[in-house]
Amino acid sequence: AQSVAQPEDQVNVAEGNPLTVKCTYSVSGNPYLFWYVQYPNRGLQFLLKYITGDNLVKGSYGFEAEFNKSQTSFHLKKPSALVSDSALYFCAVSPKAAGNKLTFGGGTRVLVKP
Amino acid sequence: GAGVSQSPRYKVAKRGQDVALRCDPISGHVSLFWYQQALGQGPEFLTYFQNEAQLDKSGLPSDRFFAERPEGSVSTLKIQRTQQEDSAVYLCASSLAYSRAEQFFGPGTRLTVL
Repeated sequence: AQSVAQPEDQVNVAEGNPLTVKCTYSVSGNPYLFWYVQYPNRGLQFLLKYITGDNLVKGSYGFEAEFNKSQTSFHLKKPSALVSDSALYFCAVSPKAAGNKLTFGGGTRVLVKP
Repeated sequence: GAGVSQSPRYKVAKRGQDVALRCDPISGHVSLFWYQQALGQGPEFLTYFQNEAQLDKSGLPSDRFFAERPEGSVSTLKIQRTQQEDSAVYLCASSLAYSRAEQFFGPGTRLTVL
């Protein structure tokens, strides 16, 4: 069975500083990896995905993530955080061989202070 | 274009009542998923349809939960004899058919069982 760990419940960062949200995963075989963001009273919005190829994936709103197979990690990064980036972030994994269903981490709340 | 829509957005039920939650996927998306998100947690997979076929229902927590998608478009998640532990946000997502496709989520239905 696959699993996702987001070790930080909350990340606080000052506006303009770099933002990193950590994610590690466990899955049999090669994974598909995803990041989603959730704003209050709204559904999850897709940010980016890793399927294959370049380990650095660029996504929406200036976010990027780096796939590290040896460390089984897929950390989300943004060089310069905005107050509007404050939200709940979820990492998710889907095994290539097991269809589309996503297994999510517990989420990390990001608070960007002005 | 229209995204995934869900109705109702909020539902309050007395324990023991039956409820029906509706999902309208993005037009042309053959894959449809239901997830349950408890307060403060990440979404958990319930069931998956490809067109009208329910290919995976391994996440349904009990036989009180039933989902259908009779014409391969709109889907309904039905919960019979609701219990307090069923209180959660129920998220619907749709995607294109191929396994690496990202899922697009609706705003969710918040179910409160009293």
